[in-house]
Amino acid sequence: SYELTQPPSLSVSPGHTATISCSGDEVGSKYISWYQQKPGQPPVLVIYQDSRRPPGIPERFSGSNSGNTATLTISATQTVDEADYYCQAWDSSTAVFGIGTKVTVL
Amino acid sequence: QVQLQQWGAGLLKPSETLSLTCDVSGGSFSGHYWHWIRQPPGTGLEWIGEISQGGSTIYNPSLKSRAIMSVDTSKNHFSLNVKSVTAADTAVYYCARGSSSGDYPDVFDIWGQGTLVTVSS
Repeated sequence: SYELTQPPSLSVSPGHTATISCSGDEVGSKYISWYQQKPGQPPVLVIYQDSRRPPGIPERFSGSNSGNTATLTISATQTVDEADYYCQAWDSSTAVFGIGTKVTVL
Repeated sequence: QVQLQQWGAGLLKPSETLSLTCDVSGGSFSGHYWHWIRQPPGTGLEWIGEISQGGSTIYNPSLKSRAIMSVDTSKNHFSLNVKSVTAADTAVYYCARGSSSGDYPDVFDIWGQGTLVTVSS
């Protein structure tokens, strides 16, 4: 089955850039979505179709996808961005999620 | 604004059947696929499957045919049953709306609040 690999965690200082990778075999040929999840809450879609932002998502969230790696970038990170982030793709009509990356802002 | 409100039993014994329902309000039921996703405590997300307005389903093979989804368009809700549960099925279960445009795959743009289902003897 298809797998998406993410780093378990990363730390970033407020105002700096957080870069979260999502690796998979030829992931660049798939459309990647990214979800943000805060404790006790359902996930929220922050990026879809690799780089598109849903209404209401701040411009500091951006995405890219090429080759074997998709990336979520959070520019000028704020404390409210502290959360778990999951990448997701479709493979053989099945949705696949990465294990999630815990982003700590401190 | 579309909202998903889910409900169902939160405590089950091994071998029982999990049953959850998700009510869709504030928007159209048609034109979307409706999904169930679960999250075991402290871990990541696992897609369970999807159902269309017409009742077509696709399931994650990992559930080994234990999951069954149904839809009732007259009541604007869809349901999930998982039979023969074990402790490994303990998780927060989410319903979610799938939205797509053109040839692009579904994205989960609206989620229910989540239901913790615990399987314990």
